[in-house]
Amino acid sequence: GAVVSQHPSRVICKSGTSVKIECRSLDFQATTMFWYRQFPKKSLMLMATSNEGSKATYEQGVEKDKFLINHASLTLSTLTVTSAHPEDSSFYICSARVAGDYGYTFGSGTRLTVV
Amino acid sequence: GQQLNQSPQSMFIQEGEDVSMNCTSSSIFNTWLWYKQEPGEGPVLLIALYKAGELTSNGRLTAQFGITRKDSFLNISASIPSDVGIYFCAGYRNSGNTPLVFGKGTRLSVIA
Repeated sequence: GAVVSQHPSRVICKSGTSVKIECRSLDFQATTMFWYRQFPKKSLMLMATSNEGSKATYEQGVEKDKFLINHASLTLSTLTVTSAHPEDSSFYICSARVAGDYGYTFGSGTRLTVV
Repeated sequence: GQQLNQSPQSMFIQEGEDVSMNCTSSSIFNTWLWYKQEPGEGPVLLIALYKAGELTSNGRLTAQFGITRKDSFLNISASIPSDVGIYFCAGYRNSGNTPLVFGKGTRLSVIA
């Protein structure tokens, strides 16, 4: 089946540094990927839609300069949290829709802790 | 953004009991999906529903796509401890690469 690999699974960084999270579609091409943020005991909150070869579409209230998204190939999208602060600590999950199918598959998530 | 109305928010049940949860929407969806999420992991697809009225099973799980296309339910029969997790409903309208709309989740606890 379609697999989305997300890396790293956990990362701890210092305030002010930047962190890059990668999301790869392993056995299919993903022209579109979605990035979510999830707070404890809450549902997934869509941050942005990542489009291969073009700019990402951000949801209202999501700072595009803080959460940089790059989708340079059909199998890789990255989310970079720039100048991270403790309030950016969260669980970040990517997702991709499998072409020709109605399924959305999710990565295993990245637990970001900013200290 | 839009969110589906999912209930109940949480459930505590005895092992062996059946479980039912549901989702409703004010607008029509063409596809309903049910996911399970365990701690520290991404959601994993359990059941996908593509047609109004469709009833689909996956082992002890059964889900139905409401005839109005505005609701769906998920049943789990004879629950076991490994059923513990958060269950999310999600829907979309098949219009291009649109993101999923999620329910708030049902947190299931199974007491052995």
